[in-house]
Formats: sequence, C-alpha cells, structure tokens
Amino acid sequence: QSALTQPPSASGSPGQSVTISCTGTSSDVGAYKYVSWYQQHPGKAPKLMISEVSKRPAGVPDRFSGSKSGNTASLTVSGLQAEDEADYYCSSYAGSNTYVFGTGTKVTVL
Amino acid sequence: QVQLQESGPGLVKPSETLSLICAVSGYSIRSNYYWGWIRQPPGKGLEWIGSFYHSGSTYYNPSLKSRVTISVDTSKNQFSLRLSSVTAADTAFYYCARSGDISGANDYWGQGTLVTVSS
Repeated sequence: QSALTQPPSASGSPGQSVTISCTGTSSDVGAYKYVSWYQQHPGKAPKLMISEVSKRPAGVPDRFSGSKSGNTASLTVSGLQAEDEADYYCSSYAGSNTYVFGTGTKVTVL
Repeated sequence: QVQLQESGPGLVKPSETLSLICAVSGYSIRSNYYWGWIRQPPGKGLEWIGSFYHSGSTYYNPSLKSRVTISVDTSKNQFSLRLSSVTAADTAFYYCARSGDISGANDYWGQGTLVTVSS
C-alpha cells in the first residue's frame, strides 16, 4: 500500500484556476469511487473539501471540484483566492476497509 | 455539533508503547459511522493508521498492523490508540477523525496532538 502520488507544489494568481492530480493504482483510485480531498492550513487539522470523487460537503465553495479518470483523480480550484493557499491531500479507499493518502501538494496563490 | 479531542503523553521513549485517547462529544460512537486515527510527521504527509466501525470491527494499516491496537470504551464515548515498540519514525501529530461511511471521507477531526519519541 504505497502513498498516492501528488505534485509537490502548484500555484496560480488570484482569480485563476489550479488543478492538482492524485495518481494511484488499479487497486485504489482506479478501483473505487471513494476519493476524498482535504485542505490543511499550517497548524490546523485537515478539512474535508471533496468526498466520493466529486461531492462537496455543505459549506465548501463551489469553486472546488473533483473528478477522476482511470487511476488518476484531480482537484480543481477555480477563481483562486488568498485563503485557498494551503496544503491539499487526496485519499482513496484501497479495499478491505483500508485507506491511503496522497503525498500532498502545496498550493501557492501568487 | 460533533467534537473530537485527543489526549495523551506528548513524549514517549523508544521501544515503549504510545497511548492516546480520543474523547467524542455530540454523538454516540456506538450509534453509527467509522472512527479512526491518522498521523502526520512534522512537515510531512498524512498516514492512515486504522479505524473501527460502530459495530465493533477494527481495521488497520497493513504497514502498522503488527504494532497497532484500537479499542473502544462506549461507556465514556471514547476510543483509544496503542502503538507498540515506537521509534523516532513514529514522532508525529496524531489525529482522531470520523468518517460517515466506507468512503473514508473524514468529516470531523480532532485538533491533533504531537507525540515525540525520544529518550
């Protein structure tokens, strides 16, 4: 069970869009529609932003959207705002009631 | 409002056992949902440790399974983590969290507690 692969960093100017990839295998991301995305600000606990590939929990702005194709899931943040600067982690169900997280991506708002 | 709060020693000696408790308020852990532990070494990424379902079944990260035990105290509405034979690599922020279903989407988190393994 290896960590899902994410780019270490991503950036964009205010108002622009940024997309973060999350690559797994046919045993986790590719096998299930159970990919979640979390936002983590420094010193804080992670916050759920997307569940089940593309579902937004109540209170999460619709600027955040998720998708999946094959073994790769993606999180897109549209209309970047200063408060979106944070670390983002994906997570996937990996079968047998086990889970695996991604390596994390630091998003910088230029 | 569901709230989770981790507690336990902040310093553990190498080879000893790390023990943490997650106290839950605002919801009965025996009613529903998955409840679990996630850790994050300082400056690094998240790692799923394990979880239990309200029915009593427990599930562990295969890489930690031989050292991890999650137990439940429904009378106190809390659950605990025990990690044996710790090394410096187990130094991390430890979070407890709730997942609404098997998807593993953790919608409620504790604030986290730092455990340092050092002599």
